[in-house]
Amino acid sequence: AQKITQTQPGMFVQEKEAVTLDCTYDTSDQSYGLFWYKQPSSGEMIFLIYQGSYDEQNATEGRYSLNFQKARKSANLVISASQLGDSAMYFCAMREGPTNAGKSTFGDGTTLTVKP
Amino acid sequence: GAVVSQHPSWVICKSGTSVKIECRSLDFQATTMFWYRQFPKQSLMLMATSNEGSKATYEQGVEKDKFLINHASLTLSTLTVTSAHPEDSSFYICSARDPAAAHEQYFGPGTRLTVT
Repeated sequence: AQKITQTQPGMFVQEKEAVTLDCTYDTSDQSYGLFWYKQPSSGEMIFLIYQGSYDEQNATEGRYSLNFQKARKSANLVISASQLGDSAMYFCAMREGPTNAGKSTFGDGTTLTVKP
Repeated sequence: GAVVSQHPSWVICKSGTSVKIECRSLDFQATTMFWYRQFPKQSLMLMATSNEGSKATYEQGVEKDKFLINHASLTLSTLTVTSAHPEDSSFYICSARDPAAAHEQYFGPGTRLTVT
């Protein structure tokens, strides 16, 4: 079974509007970390936001927030006030285990296009 | 933030030759580095976990004799694609964990390999 599921291959959003990118995960570990990365056409992976399994508050980083619903095993990324530069591929990832030494599993990604 | 570099950023080689890709952590010591492979518009697939001073741990289905990994120092891991074939053409990305960081995994900019 896939550990990270991103059901939206592609998404469109109007500039300045908010958009939610979906991510669900599957793990039996109690301790894990959830990540979102942005990959523009240049190929570099840009870290956006992190949520620990024991974090009670939803993570926020500037225009990015993570809607963490532990019981539903979902970790959706919300981008507010979309900008043209947000057009890229977005990956949700999960690291299982309590330390940062564990390997990460990535979803299939969502291609976001911001329309002017 | 921490920086991970990769060299070369792109390489074209002939079928049957070997290619070495370097991954360096520039301002931290990385006991663990990861090597990923990414086909166009697809997810990152973990190939192997590279541990300083010991043998790499390969993921199921990855040929260890074809993809040689060496992690000889705390700042350098290398991936050698031996006897490359056109199907090995891909985007190879390394990442490294800073032991002092809470959770982040730092990615290199990637190496685009084309085998003709």
